[in-house]
Amino acid sequence: QSVLTQPPSVSGAPGQRVTISCTGSSSNLGAGYDVHWYQQFPGTAPKLLIFANTNRPSGVPGRFSGSKSGTSASLAITGLQAEDEADYYCQSYDSSLSGSVFGGGTRLTVL
Amino acid sequence: QITLKESGPPLVKPTQTLTLTCTFSGFSLTTGGVGVGWIRQPPGKALEWLAVIYWDDDKRISPSLKSRVTITKDTSKNQVVLTLTDMDPVDTATYYCAYSRLEVRHFLYWGQGTLVTVSS
Repeated sequence: QSVLTQPPSVSGAPGQRVTISCTGSSSNLGAGYDVHWYQQFPGTAPKLLIFANTNRPSGVPGRFSGSKSGTSASLAITGLQAEDEADYYCQSYDSSLSGSVFGGGTRLTVL
Repeated sequence: QITLKESGPPLVKPTQTLTLTCTFSGFSLTTGGVGVGWIRQPPGKALEWLAVIYWDDDKRISPSLKSRVTITKDTSKNQVVLTLTDMDPVDTATYYCAYSRLEVRHFLYWGQGTLVTVSS
């Protein structure tokens, strides 16, 4: 089991809005540590999508947004496009482990 | 432009020690706050953080692998080396190195990854 919990899969039709949740605990998200999100296509390295809860690196479309509250965080994708079909991972720091932790990943399917 | 690239053997036998090298460019591991981490991903499975080393030689290693992992840096060669002892088939994975900073702890730049298979 991953320290951060994500749904294994989500799906949505083109144009729709989908959200991916990431649930942690008092030693990571609940302790105030930032959450980051990555997008990964098959056979490629992950790409940073959202950092520090809500920030997008240069080049990431505004359709992607992040939020965090307490021990939970969410990634939202609006105006879903076929090219968004990928795996998404959340990541944070855990004080009890003194290191980074990843979620189990969520496979997004665009119907 | 920051780039990282992993190198190492594609195949190791059970009980052997794996040595992976991350060679990077576009930044220096002598710059305050800079770090290089290792993350792996078994086929079809999730990402798993392994270790990170910072500019000041501070090292953090996943507790689940602490007894088996060593991470070192060679700033003159712009390299970070990860060793993982007593390899097992469950260690079969794509191993990535990635650029990080202490104050943010996310991984902004990633190498392409190298697949390591553990098999006799």
